Amino acid sequence: NAGVTQTPKFRVLKTGQSMTLLCAQDMNHEYMYWYRQDPGMGLRLIHYSVGEGTTAKGEVPDGYNVSRLKKQNFLLGLESAAPSQTSVYFCASGTTGNTGELFFGEGSRLTVL
Amino acid sequence: SQKIEQNSEALNIQEGKTATLTCNYTNYSPAYLQWYRQDPGRGPVFLLLIRENEKEKRKERLKVTFDTTLKQSLFHITASQPADSATYLCAFVSGSARQLTFGSGTQLTVLP
Repeated sequence: NAGVTQTPKFRVLKTGQSMTLLCAQDMNHEYMYWYRQDPGMGLRLIHYSVGEGTTAKGEVPDGYNVSRLKKQNFLLGLESAAPSQTSVYFCASGTTGNTGELFFGEGSRLTVL
Repeated sequence: SQKIEQNSEALNIQEGKTATLTCNYTNYSPAYLQWYRQDPGRGPVFLLLIRENEKEKRKERLKVTFDTTLKQSLFHITASQPADSATYLCAFVSGSARQLTFGSGTQLTVLP
């Protein structure tokens, strides 16, 4: 099983460029999340989705957009990248059960120059 | 606002000893807490969940406690091994979408 797959794993952007991070999960999970992880700050929730066609803002949504057109995919977009968006991005998915356990991808390291 | 703190950024212990990691939370009463392990360059991996009505949970060499009065969870690794070296994250679940709020993690190093 692939689990949660993120592409690309590494990317370097110049300020003002745009890009999309793709997250795909093969576990038929309803819930999907995008987090960013910065040194000393832990994981912070950017956006999440409770099902196909639905998205919602998390703790730090500014500068990002998301789409969930298919249940297995959750896309994170940066329309105009800024150096403050240099981070490691993690996608996660989970079931509708009551444990709340999340399954994470391996991360996408983004550098904005 | 809801806040979760892990007291130590780094913890070094000798192989064979018990490692104890602390997680404190404020301005919230979570129904349950989760613990994850994260290795360098990898995503977090779920380890244990403990509910508010459970005082203690065990899984092999791992033990988690949850004290709702102290607003604290302790994570223990007994008979620690160098392979246990990693960053350990605590998190609590909130909201209808079960969003996780994470602590910043404790980096554990088990010395041979």
